[in-house]
Amino acid sequence: KQEVTQIPAALSVPEGENLVLNCSFTDSAIYNLQWFRQDPGKGLTSLLLIQSSQREQTSGRLNASLDKSSGRSTLYIAASQPGDSATYLCAVRAGSARQLTFGSGTQLTVLP
Amino acid sequence: GAVVSQHPSRVICKSGTSVKIECRSLDFQATTMFWYRQFPKQSLMLMATSNEGSKATYEQGVEKDKFLINHASLTLSTLTVTSAHPEDSSFYICSAWGVETQYFGPGTRLLVL
Repeated sequence: KQEVTQIPAALSVPEGENLVLNCSFTDSAIYNLQWFRQDPGKGLTSLLLIQSSQREQTSGRLNASLDKSSGRSTLYIAASQPGDSATYLCAVRAGSARQLTFGSGTQLTVLP
Repeated sequence: GAVVSQHPSRVICKSGTSVKIECRSLDFQATTMFWYRQFPKQSLMLMATSNEGSKATYEQGVEKDKFLINHASLTLSTLTVTSAHPEDSSFYICSAWGVETQYFGPGTRLLVL
């Protein structure tokens, strides 16, 4: 059974810092991996989706990498802003199944 | 595009009553929808997968008679929490399968007194 782990569980940084969030998964036979953002009491917003054949995806200040063989992904946030404060979740999709397996999330606080 | 709505956004009910939560895909058709439950500071746990016109597939440990799911059209799935109890209080999130990924609703906060 696929297990997804995110480290750290919580992270607090001063504004302007670059930071890295980590995601690891136990079964490397994934179809794709997705990073989401969740604000308190809200639903999920998709940030980046990386197909299994890709190594990274970029959107603005966000860069997600994928190393399928080692079961790891990172989300890099450049020049962090207070508005980036949220919980970041990674999720993997296995094969043709449409289900996603979620990690436990990293709660990010960017201090002004 | 790919907007999913949920109604209500929050609901408070008395123990023993039933509560229905609606999940709608507003600008696309979804043959598959998903229902998740999220406890405070925890991740999303998949409860069931709902396919239009057929019975939902429930995850292990989820009581199908307690959490009734109906997916009668390509744009609407409903989750009914029957005979709700305080331990059912949680944040319920639905998603709809779109183009190669799930699109999530804003969630429904359920509080059972």
